Amino acid sequence: GAVVSQHPSRVICKSGTSVKIECRSLDFQATTMFWYRQFPKQSLMLMATSNEGSKATYEQGVEKDKFLINHASLTLSTLTVTSAHPEDSSFYICSARATSPDNYGYTFGSGTRLTVV
Amino acid sequence: GDSVTQMEGPVTLSEEAFLTINCTYTATGYPSLFWYVQYPGEGLQLLLKATKADDKGSNKGFEATYRKETTSFHLEKGSVQVSDSAVYFCALSDRSGNTPLVFGKGTRLSVIA
Repeated sequence: GAVVSQHPSRVICKSGTSVKIECRSLDFQATTMFWYRQFPKQSLMLMATSNEGSKATYEQGVEKDKFLINHASLTLSTLTVTSAHPEDSSFYICSARATSPDNYGYTFGSGTRLTVV
Repeated sequence: GDSVTQMEGPVTLSEEAFLTINCTYTATGYPSLFWYVQYPGEGLQLLLKATKADDKGSNKGFEATYRKETTSFHLEKGSVQVSDSAVYFCALSDRSGNTPLVFGKGTRLSVIA
């Protein structure tokens, strides 16, 4: 079945540094990937839609200069949290959709727990 | 816009009890409907889905039926286990699949032995 690999699973970084999170589709090509943020005991908040070869579409209220998204190939999208601050600490999850969505399949990565100290 | 409303938890059940988590939706057209499960510290896993009216999705003893007349997709399981303790999310997508999933707020289930 479709597998999405997300790395790292956990990361601790110092305030002011940048952190890159990778999302890879392992056995299918993904023209579209989605990045979510999840606060404790809450639902997923869509941050942006990442399209291969074009600029990401950010949701209202999400700073595109802070959360840089790159979708350079059909199997890889990255989210870089720039100049991280403690309030950026959260659980980030990516999701990918295959180019042949005959089953309307969305597959999720295992998430990245970011802690900014 | 499209939206999903699911019953708020937490829900606490004894092992072997019957589970129902209600989910209703608002959407234009005919969306596809999903239930996802999230275990502690993990991402989301697809539990089951239905793509058209009257379809029944089922997996691991869980079932949900796409009810167009009541715009509902309630999740049920006849006998829950401790290992079913997790957060369950109801979600929908449009038929094109070009837009992100719309999620409900999630329902936390705790099953006690």
